[in-house]
Formats: sequence, C-alpha cells, structure tokens
Amino acid sequence: RKEVEQDPGPFNVPEGATVAFNCTYSNSASQSFFWYRQDCRKEPKLLMSVYSSGNEDGRFTAQLNRASQYISLLIRDSKLSDSATYLCVVNRQHNDMRFGAGTRLTVKP
Amino acid sequence: DAGVIQSPRHEVTEMGQEVTLRCKPISGHDYLFWYRQTMMRGLELLIYFNNNVPIDDSGMPEDRFSAKMPNASFSTLKIQPSEPRDSAVYFCASSLLAGGPVLYEQYFGPGTRLTVT
Repeated sequence: RKEVEQDPGPFNVPEGATVAFNCTYSNSASQSFFWYRQDCRKEPKLLMSVYSSGNEDGRFTAQLNRASQYISLLIRDSKLSDSATYLCVVNRQHNDMRFGAGTRLTVKP
Repeated sequence: DAGVIQSPRHEVTEMGQEVTLRCKPISGHDYLFWYRQTMMRGLELLIYFNNNVPIDDSGMPEDRFSAKMPNASFSTLKIQPSEPRDSAVYFCASSLLAGGPVLYEQYFGPGTRLTVT
C-alpha cells in the first residue's frame, strides 16, 4: 500500500463547478500536510498548507482529519486555469515529504 | 530570484552510459532533495541533504545511483550505468527549514527529462 493515496481521476468538470479531492495517508506520525499543483510538463508548486482547523485561500479550502488520516481539497467556482494535477503531500518528519500520485483535473468551458 | 536551476533540461543517452544531472539550489536554502517522476510510480523521493550532508538515501533505487553535494550551491545525481527503466523526469528541490513563509515549503527546479535508449 502506498503511503499517500489519491484518486487519480481524471475529474472533468465545467467552469463554475465545485470539485473535491480526497487523500489518505498511512503514517500516523506525519506532522504536516500540503497540496501542490503541477501543470503539464512543469514542476510541482505549493498550492497551500493544510492545517488541523481547516484553512481557506480564496476559492480553495483544505481540510485535515488526523483521526481518519484524511486530507481534502475543495475548489469552488472552477476556472479553466485550475486545470492541472493536484498532489497531496505529507511530511513525515524533518522535511521528508511523501507525495501522492496526483489527481488530474480538467475544467472545460 | 533565479529559483532552483537544473541542467541539462533534456538528456538522451544509450543504455550503459553514465549520466550526470546537476542542480543549483536557491541561495540560503539548507535542504536539497532529488526526486524522480514517472507515470507508473508518480513522484518518488530519492535522497535528501541537510547542510550538504545526506540524511536519507533509502529511496535510491540501487547502487547504480549516487548523489553528492560538495557545497551549499551544487549537487549532482549520477547514474552509472544507465538503463532504459531509468527514463523519467528528475526533479531537484530545495527548502529552508526556518524563516520562510511556509515551513517545509519545497521549491522545485524545472526538471531534467532523461531518456535512456
């Protein structure tokens, strides 16, 4: 079993839709959590950190459930520019990051 | 800020040849990471350094792979001999443990796309 599991998708949604991605992790000692975004043939870039209390950045909302070892990302009012692969990332310790395989999102006009 | 610099951006080589990938981290960053990305396996951590010292190389696939960081501004990942299954995109990333806006945020280079024929 992979340490970080994500639904690979693809998710194909119309502009303006709300879409949610889920992620589970197996290492209960994991300390911090992130969502990264990767555009086609580009490098991953940090989208947002995920905090226990949940956090929001504009149209993006991230949630963490430590008891269930579950992380989510909600995108509201999807834009064409949101089309990308979204990577769930878990920090075990000392900056040792483990990446999920990614969920591909395509937003269509 | 130049960001993380990797070279070459593309490399095509024949099986059995030695391949050397290069990385210059962001100035002042104290962590450097090497990752490999393939469609089948996603993004895998190969090795990371803290203050030029290798901390965890458990992700290095086998003895054909080696990595060095002779100073704070340069690292290499070497594959000798290369095999077709090594074909992948290799990313270097760097981070600053303390002082950045997001603890542990990693900044990735543009990657080296390696093809071994």
